[in-house]
Amino acid sequence: QKEVEQDPGPLSVPEGAIVSLNCTYSNSAFQYFMWYRQYSRKGPELLMYTYSSGNKEDGRFTAQVDKSSKYISLFIRDSQPSDSATYLCAPYSSASKIIFGSGTRLSIRP
Amino acid sequence: DTAVSQTPKYLVTQMGNDKSIKCEQNLGHDTMYWYKQDSKKFLKIMFSYNNKELIINETVPNRFSPKSPDKAHLNLHINSLELGDSAVYFCASRGGPTGELFFGEGSRLTVL
Repeated sequence: QKEVEQDPGPLSVPEGAIVSLNCTYSNSAFQYFMWYRQYSRKGPELLMYTYSSGNKEDGRFTAQVDKSSKYISLFIRDSQPSDSATYLCAPYSSASKIIFGSGTRLSIRP
Repeated sequence: DTAVSQTPKYLVTQMGNDKSIKCEQNLGHDTMYWYKQDSKKFLKIMFSYNNKELIINETVPNRFSPKSPDKAHLNLHINSLELGDSAVYFCASRGGPTGELFFGEGSRLTVL
């Protein structure tokens, strides 16, 4: 089993839709959970960061972590064409290297 | 002022050649990384250095040799390039209160 699993997509939704992106992980020691966004031909950049279980909201973005099921989600409300990118999840612990999921390619249709 | 900068952005070369990619960060971080991203966007860790010392080496062929002359620089030299080495190579530094990674723009390597 891979340490981090993520549906690669591609996922295509109409503008204004709610998007749900998900990852599962296997290492119960992971405490920190990051979502990176990568635009085409650019480096990944940090979008959201959460610690332990629970929800964190930042504007149209909500990150959700369920440590009991080792499941992490990123929700995008009122999706915009500018949200079209690849989204990578990255759970880790303070003692571990940062390993990324395979990334989900998201396309928002105007 | 770019936080993590890599050069060159693009390399096109023949099989069997040797090439180098340079990386510099001005964030004052102690830890730097090389990641390889394949055509399916999978981002795989290759090496990590902490204050000039190698701390992670992820079963990468020994044709790949990283070098860190100081904690702000991490270079990657690749010998005897193969077709399968074609990818985008990202340099990153790690730090700040969240321990997040800051990535460069990537160096796109094409081996013909």
